[in-house]
Parts: sequence; structure tokens; C-alpha cells
Amino acid sequence: DGGITQSPKYLFRKEGQNVTLSCEQNLNHDAMYWYRQDPGQGLRLIYYSQIVNDFQKGDIAEGYSVSREKKESFPLTVTSAQKNPTAFYLCASSIAVPLLGTSLIEQFFGPGTRLTVL
Amino acid sequence: RKEVEQDPGPFNVPEGATVAFNCTYSNSASQSFFWYRQDCRKEPKLLMSVYSSGNEDGRFTAQLNRASQYISLLIRDSKLSDSATYLCVVNILRGFQKLVFGTGTRLLVSP
Repeated sequence: DGGITQSPKYLFRKEGQNVTLSCEQNLNHDAMYWYRQDPGQGLRLIYYSQIVNDFQKGDIAEGYSVSREKKESFPLTVTSAQKNPTAFYLCASSIAVPLLGTSLIEQFFGPGTRLTVL
Repeated sequence: RKEVEQDPGPFNVPEGATVAFNCTYSNSASQSFFWYRQDCRKEPKLLMSVYSSGNEDGRFTAQLNRASQYISLLIRDSKLSDSATYLCVVNILRGFQKLVFGTGTRLLVSP
């Protein structure tokens, strides 16, 4: 079955530690995204990548880093510089948006990783 | 002002009821519009894209009013399984999908 996988489902981290969240997709999508969701807030974009070996900062990139060495994989590292890392992290992917044409393109989400900093 | 605003609810309705959610967006250049559904502690899933002329999918109807910058979702004949949080989502860029999510409206359908 095609889809997006994220691991682990739950992650506990001590303050001051870096941690890497995995995101893999077999949908052959070019674009991938990382969001975080906090209670009472909408999803916020951390980083996105439209193509392999390229990625851009989203709205709340401080304290995070990513890589996109393979089309299928877009891991997110939460560094010790992130002040409030406890959140629900969601990875998504989509086909690339054509410059001309519809932008009504679905983003497919992985099941998420719940990160708790102790 | 938030880019996408929704009433958080919860909306408590009995089975079989009709319920409507509204959502307003602030960026008049917004390109496309969606409703996503999110179950408790799960990932969001696309419910419907919203077309300019409005569109219907079974019991669900979505409308877009660009002049007033709001989007609506109507659910008819509510089922218990419709209980979830409904996220209003707006794409604000052309040529790239930069989605802005509302905080969601929670719906609880009771027997």
C-alpha cells in the first residue's frame, strides 16, 4: 500500500538533546512538508521541500533542521535550540504544484510523532 | 487577525441533524481552499476541495464566497462517525502549495 510512514509514534527526549524524526513516503511525490500541531492551534509549517536536495524554511523553522537526500525521505531534526519542542509533528507529501494549472492538490499526511521533552 | 479563523465549537448535534461550519480567511489572494477532517490524535485527511462554484460530495456540501472571504461546510443527515474536528485550509500561494490551517471546529454527533 502506498502511503507515508513516520517513526517513532511517541518520542521522549531530555532537555538539551537533539532528536531526529523519520518520514518516508512511497507515493512518488516530489513535495514533502513538516508541520507541528499544538493544542488549540492550527498546523504550522516548519520546513518544506519541493524536490530532492532542496528545502526551504517554513513559518517556524528556528530550532529545526531537515535534509532531503532521497525523494522518499525527509527527516526532521529537533535541536536543543528549539525552545518548546513538545508537540505533535506531522509529515506530509504531495505532487508538485504546476506553475500553470490547479493548486487543488491533496496533501497526504503521515500518522504523526508525539514528541515530549522531559 | 488570524489568517484562517474558525469557531472551535464544539458543535453538539443529534444523529440526523444538519450542521454548518463557516471559516473566514484574511488573504484575498488565496488560491485554493479545502476542508480536512482530523480524528482525535490522528493525522488530518482531505475531506473536500472547495471549488468556486461550490461542490457536493454525498452528504457534504462546500461553498466558497470570495467577495466575503469565507468558506462553508454543510453536513446533512449527521452520522456518529462524523464526530471529528474539521479543519479549514487555505493555499495562499500560486505555484506552490503553502497551506494555512485553521484551528478546527469540533463536531460531536450523539445518538
